[in-house]
Amino acid sequence: AQTVTQSQPEMSVQEAETVTLSCTYDTSESDYYLFWYKQPPSRQMILVIRQEAYKQQNATENRFSVNFQKAAKSFSLKISDSQLGDAAMYFCAFWGRAGNMLTFGGGTRLMVKP
Amino acid sequence: GAGVSQTPSNKVTEKGKYVELRCDPISGHTALYWYRQSLGQGPEFLIYFQGTGAADDSGLPNDRFFAVRPEGSVSTLKIQRTERGDSAVYLCASSLGHANTEAFFGQGTRLTVV
Repeated sequence: AQTVTQSQPEMSVQEAETVTLSCTYDTSESDYYLFWYKQPPSRQMILVIRQEAYKQQNATENRFSVNFQKAAKSFSLKISDSQLGDAAMYFCAFWGRAGNMLTFGGGTRLMVKP
Repeated sequence: GAGVSQTPSNKVTEKGKYVELRCDPISGHTALYWYRQSLGQGPEFLIYFQGTGAADDSGLPNDRFFAVRPEGSVSTLKIQRTERGDSAVYLCASSLGHANTEAFFGQGTRLTVV
């Protein structure tokens, strides 16, 4: 079974600055995907960024980028130029080719200070 | 529809009652997933449908929980003899196919058992 761990229950960042959210995972699979989802108070999970494990290049989506360290089983999210609208819960998630579901971490609450 | 729709948005029920939660996925999406999110935690997998059949129900906690998808589109999660521990947000997600890992989530149903 896979496990996903987010060690930071809460993080705070000043508007316009950069913040990094941490995620580690454990799996015996070699073919998998990793995700970061954002969950605002509306409760809807919104996909922020996705990384295929076989790709060495780190994924980037505008202000969001990841640092994927496969050997260390680490998958952190960097948010640059933080905006007030980035304030939300962020969940790291794992999808293995051999499985049928996303496995989520416990989440990190991100607060953005004006 | 334009997105995944879940009804009701909120449901309060008395302990011991029966409830049904509905999920209307994105049109054309063959894969449908149910997750349960307890307060302060990440979502946990309940069941996965491919078309009309439940391909994986390994996450259902006990036999009080049951889900159907009779025509391969709308799904209903059914909980019998509700308990206070069933209180949570129930999230539904759909994707174009199981191999397509981009799952789109609804806004969930917050179930409160009193």
